[in-house]
Amino acid sequence: ETGVTQTPRHLVMGMTNKKSLKCEQHLGHNAMYWYKQSAKKPLELMFVYNFKEQTENNSVPSRFSPECPNSSHLFLHLHTLQPEDSALYLCASSQDPGGGVETQYFGPGTRLLVL
Amino acid sequence: GQNIDQPTEMTATEGAIVQINCTYQTSGFNGLFWYQQHAGEAPTFLSYNVLDGLEEKGRFSSFLSRSKGYSYLLLKELQMKDSASYLCAVRDSNYQLIWGAGTKLIIKP
Repeated sequence: ETGVTQTPRHLVMGMTNKKSLKCEQHLGHNAMYWYKQSAKKPLELMFVYNFKEQTENNSVPSRFSPECPNSSHLFLHLHTLQPEDSALYLCASSQDPGGGVETQYFGPGTRLLVL
Repeated sequence: GQNIDQPTEMTATEGAIVQINCTYQTSGFNGLFWYQQHAGEAPTFLSYNVLDGLEEKGRFSSFLSRSKGYSYLLLKELQMKDSASYLCAVRDSNYQLIWGAGTKLIIKP
């Protein structure tokens, strides 16, 4: 039990659908992250929120829209996705996105398949 | 550009020792992390190095040479449960984590 939960664990959607991924952390952390993990590729950082404010947006297409209503919850809204967006989407949290042994704690991920 | 290189896959025998290498080229350096990820599960933190040298934690050790842009993760007394992917990540000058693609470690009896 890592303290970071994600729902749903699996999602199949068509290219015209709209869906949302949810992440919740029970660790009292201030920073939350969305990553994309594709097979045999490095983790790709998508978004970073620190104290509910978005601090990073790594050139992610607008069909991915994050929302962070409070420091414990993070959403990723999906619309008009492409088949190449099929991947494992990981949420993570950390105390602060700064220096020191600032460890990120990951959720189990949502396995997304876009048809 | 920034780059992290690690072998795609390694195989080792139960009870043996294995060393997983990681080389990096990043804009600045603020620490190197190793994470373990079992299939279908979340990555979990293993170790952190920011100074040169060896950090030992039970059966796992991690080494760093900043001048060479090189790290390794050493796993001793391998167990079947060590079969997993091992991810190397470097924190750059912007305190952003740059990730390697991971090394899939297969342990055979």
